[in-house]
Amino acid sequence: EPEVTQTPSHQVTQMGQEVILRCVPISNHLYFYWYRQILGQKVEFLVSFYNNEISEKSEIFDDQFSVERPDGSNFTLKIRSTKLEDSAMYFCASSEVAGGKFSYGYTFGSGTRLTVV
Amino acid sequence: QKEVEQDPGPLSVPEGAIVSLNCTYSNSAFQYFMWYRQYSRKGPELLMYTYSSGNKEDGRFTAQVDKSSKYISLFIRDSQPSDSATYLCAMRLANAGGTSYGKLTFGQGTILTVHP
Repeated sequence: EPEVTQTPSHQVTQMGQEVILRCVPISNHLYFYWYRQILGQKVEFLVSFYNNEISEKSEIFDDQFSVERPDGSNFTLKIRSTKLEDSAMYFCASSEVAGGKFSYGYTFGSGTRLTVV
Repeated sequence: QKEVEQDPGPLSVPEGAIVSLNCTYSNSAFQYFMWYRQYSRKGPELLMYTYSSGNKEDGRFTAQVDKSSKYISLFIRDSQPSDSATYLCAMRLANAGGTSYGKLTFGQGTILTVHP
C-alpha cells in the first residue's frame, strides 16, 4: 500500500535555529498538507499546497513557516527560527485530486517529532 | 463554542463489546465527515468517511451523520484488542469549483482500550 514517508522521525533543535522537515507524498497525489499535533492536543491544520502554491493556510502558519516542493517527489516544511512552542508532532499528508471528484480523506505520514530546547 | 467537540475518554471496554464514539460540531457548512484511527506516535489512518447525512457501514464499523443535530457517530461491533487506539473525528467544508478545500478540522480524539 502506498505510503507518505517523513524524515527524520525525531529532530531536536535549539531555539532560534532553522529546521526543515521532509516528506515524500504518494507519487500520484497532487495535494499536499502539513498538520501538527502538540502533545495532548488536537491535530491542527497548517497549510495545503497544490499546483506549486499554497492554496490555504491557518493562522498558525505565519511568516516563520514556509513550504516548498523542490523537486517532483519531496515536500518540505521550513521553520525559520524555532520557538519552544513549536515543539510538536508534524504530519505530512497527501491526497489525490481527480478532476471533478472529491477527495474525501488523506493519507498521513507517521510524523516528525520536533523538540525545541 | 469549539468547532468540533469530542469526549477524550478514556473509554475502556471488554473484548466483543459494541463501542460508540461521538462528535458534535457547530459549523453547519461542514459536509464531509471522517473517522481516523491513530496508534501511539503514528499518523492518523482513515477508517470511514461520509458525505452529508446518513449511514455507512464497512465490516465492523458503522459511521452515522445527523446534520440536523450536528452530531456524528462511529460504532465498532465485536471490538477487538487490536482496536485499542485513539479515534479522531474530522470534518471539512464542501468543495468549491472542483477544487478541494484541504483543511480538516479534528476533534480532540477518544482514547479507546479494548481489554481481553
